[in-house]
Amino acid sequence: LAKTTQPISMDSYEGQEVNITCSHNNIATNDYITWYQQFPSQGPRFIIQGYKTKVTNEVASLFIPADRKSSTLSLPRVSLSDTAVYYCLVDRYGSGNTGKLIFGQGTTLQVKP
Amino acid sequence: NAGVTQTPKFQVLKTGQSMTLQCAQDMNHEYMSWYRQDPGMGLRLIHYSVGAGITDQGEVPNGYNVSRSTTEDFPLRLLSAAPSQTSVYFCASRLRPSGQETQYFGPGTRLLVL
Repeated sequence: LAKTTQPISMDSYEGQEVNITCSHNNIATNDYITWYQQFPSQGPRFIIQGYKTKVTNEVASLFIPADRKSSTLSLPRVSLSDTAVYYCLVDRYGSGNTGKLIFGQGTTLQVKP
Repeated sequence: NAGVTQTPKFQVLKTGQSMTLQCAQDMNHEYMSWYRQDPGMGLRLIHYSVGAGITDQGEVPNGYNVSRSTTEDFPLRLLSAAPSQTSVYFCASRLRPSGQETQYFGPGTRLLVL
């Protein structure tokens, strides 16, 4: 699976839009980009997944350029409760996939009042 | 559905002791896995299973054993605990190994090895 690289930490203020960029230069054709969120003392939870262009749900948006070598997670108008670690992962579709999800260090987002 | 459950929530061991961390899911998921998370670090994959009777090693398997005799349960055994195994352990499951399926995590087990 392609390795991902993302910033170790980011700071923001309540009400701002936060963009976290992840690079995955060796992404394969049947790989999807997936983001998980982890609050302190909890297990990670899925927030969004995409293949190309833009995906939006009630929590976030995910922007993926045509070359798919990077992706950007966008959190609109963050609040203190968005303080968490955000992980960018590459997840492989298709039969024969082992299902392994490899987590990196993630990006620690600190939202300040 | 209870989702993914883990027991115990917290455990203290002495060096050399053995124990089993329990994990169960009631969603009929084929795929289950174990991660450890050290303070301030990301999650590292220990072992995983794509179905009953099938297990494989992840990134950091040494010192741990797993078995998958049923779809529902995936226990993690520490053979001889060491202080380096002090960590938070998360169990996770997904319906199938394919990336199309979301992975769900349990609440974690905090393990302290003295």
